Amino acid sequence: QKEVEQDPGPLSVPEGAIVSLNCTYSNSAFQYFMWYRQYSRKGPELLMYTYSSGNKEDGRFTAQVDKSSKYISLFIRDSQPSDSATYLCAMISVSSNTGKLIFGQGTTLQVKP
Amino acid sequence: EPEVTQTPSHQVTQMGQEVILRCVPISNHLYFYWYRQILGQKVEFLVSFYNNEISEKSEIFDDQFSVERPDGSNFTLKIRSTKLEDSAMYFCASNSGGVSPLHFGNGTRLTVT
Repeated sequence: QKEVEQDPGPLSVPEGAIVSLNCTYSNSAFQYFMWYRQYSRKGPELLMYTYSSGNKEDGRFTAQVDKSSKYISLFIRDSQPSDSATYLCAMISVSSNTGKLIFGQGTTLQVKP
Repeated sequence: EPEVTQTPSHQVTQMGQEVILRCVPISNHLYFYWYRQILGQKVEFLVSFYNNEISEKSEIFDDQFSVERPDGSNFTLKIRSTKLEDSAMYFCASNSGGVSPLHFGNGTRLTVT
């Protein structure tokens, strides 16, 4: 079983839709969770960072963590064509003292005008 | 907003040649990283560096790879004798410590012919 699983998509939605992106993980030592956005041929850009179960909101983005189910989500409200990118979930183990990130495969999102 | 900068953006080299990829991390960050992304695959951890020494490295980071912080601002990745399979995007990242989120550069695309 892979440590972090993420459906690669592609996911295509109309402008204004609510988008739900998800990752599951197998290692209960993962306690710190990030979502990155990556445009083509660019580096990952940090969107959200959270370490507790529950929801965290920032503008149109909401990160949700359910540690009991080992499941994290990113919701994008009122999606825009500029949101078209690959979204990567990433995690750090509580036992890590080096900040090593484990990434999901990434989900490619296309928002159509 | 401070950012991680990487040069060059694209490097083409012949198999067996040495390459040095350069990074300038965010100035007040203490931890530095190299990650790799082969086309269509996950972002993978290579190495973390703190206090002028490697703190963790992956199986990928074999004797062909080395890292160095030659001065107070630069952080380099050297591949001593490149192979075709080293072709990938190489991302530098930095953070202020431990489990704080990583900030990535836009990468160097390495093409080995």
